[in-house]
Amino acid sequence: AQSVTQLGSHVSVSEGALVLLRCNYSSSVPPYLFWYVQYPNQGLQLLLKYTSAATLVKGINGFEAEFKKSETSFHLTKPSAHMSDAAEYFCAVSDRYSSASKIIFGSGTRLSIRP
Amino acid sequence: NAGVTQTPKFQVLKTGQSMTLQCAQDMNHNSMYWYRQDPGMGLRLIYYSASEGTTDKGEVPNGYNVSRLNKREFSLRLESAAPSQTSVYFCASTPGGSDTDTQYFGPGTRLTVL
Repeated sequence: AQSVTQLGSHVSVSEGALVLLRCNYSSSVPPYLFWYVQYPNQGLQLLLKYTSAATLVKGINGFEAEFKKSETSFHLTKPSAHMSDAAEYFCAVSDRYSSASKIIFGSGTRLSIRP
Repeated sequence: NAGVTQTPKFQVLKTGQSMTLQCAQDMNHNSMYWYRQDPGMGLRLIYYSASEGTTDKGEVPNGYNVSRLNKREFSLRLESAAPSQTSVYFCASTPGGSDTDTQYFGPGTRLTVL
């Protein structure tokens, strides 16, 4: 079975500061990993995904994540936070043994940006 | 191209009432999903449909039924609503057939059961 753990249900940073959202996964097979973002009162949208090519994955809005197999981590970073980054972020792992591309979501991290 | 649409946006039910949440996608996707989102629990899969004509249970199927009406539409039915089903419900779709598929989400339905 696969799972993801997001460390910290709420992270607050100042505008212009580094954003670091932590995600650790558990998987018995090489995983596919995703970060999704949810803005208030909206559905989720894909930020980036790791599919076993480059370990450093670049996404939209200046975000990137690095797959580290030795640490079973897939942390999300952005060098300089913007007010528009305030949202909830979900890490997810795919269950590759299903007939559909089922993915398993973490519990989410709410990112707040201080002016 | 509307993507994934859901109706209604909001709904209040009394315990024991029934209702159907509607979902449609216009991207010709094969796979569709229903999730519920509760505070601190992320998204949990209720049911999914890998392709037209098939449906399977997810993590939390009890109290729900689904119908894949055609390739575009996937509905979720609550036969006898309970307060524990108060949640935000999201429908999603993917092209299907690949573990790396991006899931495309609808805007959600906020359901309150009194």
